[in-house]
Amino acid sequence: EDQVTQSPEALRLQEGESSSLNCSYTVSGLRGLFWYRQDPGKGPEFLFTLYSAGEEKEKERLKATLTKKESFLHITAPKPEDSATYLCAVQEGEYGNKLVFGAGTILRVKS
Amino acid sequence: EAGVTQFPSHSVIEKGQTVTLRCDPISGHDNLYWYRRVMGKEIKFLLHFVKESKQDESGMPNNRFLAERTGGTYSTLKVQPAELEDSGVYFCASSQDLNSPLHFGNGTRLTVT
Repeated sequence: EDQVTQSPEALRLQEGESSSLNCSYTVSGLRGLFWYRQDPGKGPEFLFTLYSAGEEKEKERLKATLTKKESFLHITAPKPEDSATYLCAVQEGEYGNKLVFGAGTILRVKS
Repeated sequence: EAGVTQFPSHSVIEKGQTVTLRCDPISGHDNLYWYRRVMGKEIKFLLHFVKESKQDESGMPNNRFLAERTGGTYSTLKVQPAELEDSGVYFCASSQDLNSPLHFGNGTRLTVT
C-alpha cells in the first residue's frame, strides 16, 4: 500500500529564516508527486508536480525537489503570508488522479 | 474562470438523518473527485467520476454513501443514514484530464451529532 509521511508535523520560523519540509513516500512506480498549500477553511491549492528523481520546480520563495524516496519543499526567506499547511501527495495506481496524501506540515512564520 | 464550488459550506445533522452535499466542478472538467478528511486523519480518496460514469469508487466507506453525477456536470454525495464517524470535511476536486493537477473546492464541513 502506498504511503506518504511528512515531517515535521509543525514548524515555526522567523521571517527570513529559510528551512525545508520533508515528504517521504513508498509507492510502487511513482507517476507523480504533488505539493499543495492549504489555508484554514480552504481547500488544497496546487503548487507543484514532480515526476522523476532529480526534477526541481520553483515558484517565488518555494522550491520543490524529488529523489527516489523523498521530496523536499525548500522555503527561502519566508514571509508571514507563507504560513499555511503544506500537503504532499502521490498518485496511486496506474490510472487517474487517486491521490494518497500525507498528514501535512503546519508552517507558521512570525514577523 | 470560476473554481470548484461546494454547497453547503457547513452542515450539522443528527445521527440517522440524511445529508446531500453538492459539488460544481470547473466548467469543462470531465474528471470529478470526492475526498474527505476526518478529524486527525489525512485527506482520503472516496471516488472518481469521468463525465457521468463512476471510474473508481474504491474509497467509498460503505453503502450509506451514494454519489451521483447526472449529465456529467455537478455531482452530489448523499449520506443516508448519517453516523457519528461520518463527521469531517468533504472535498470535491476536478481536473481537465487524468494527469492534470486537481483543483479543490473549499469543502463541506459535516458534523453529525
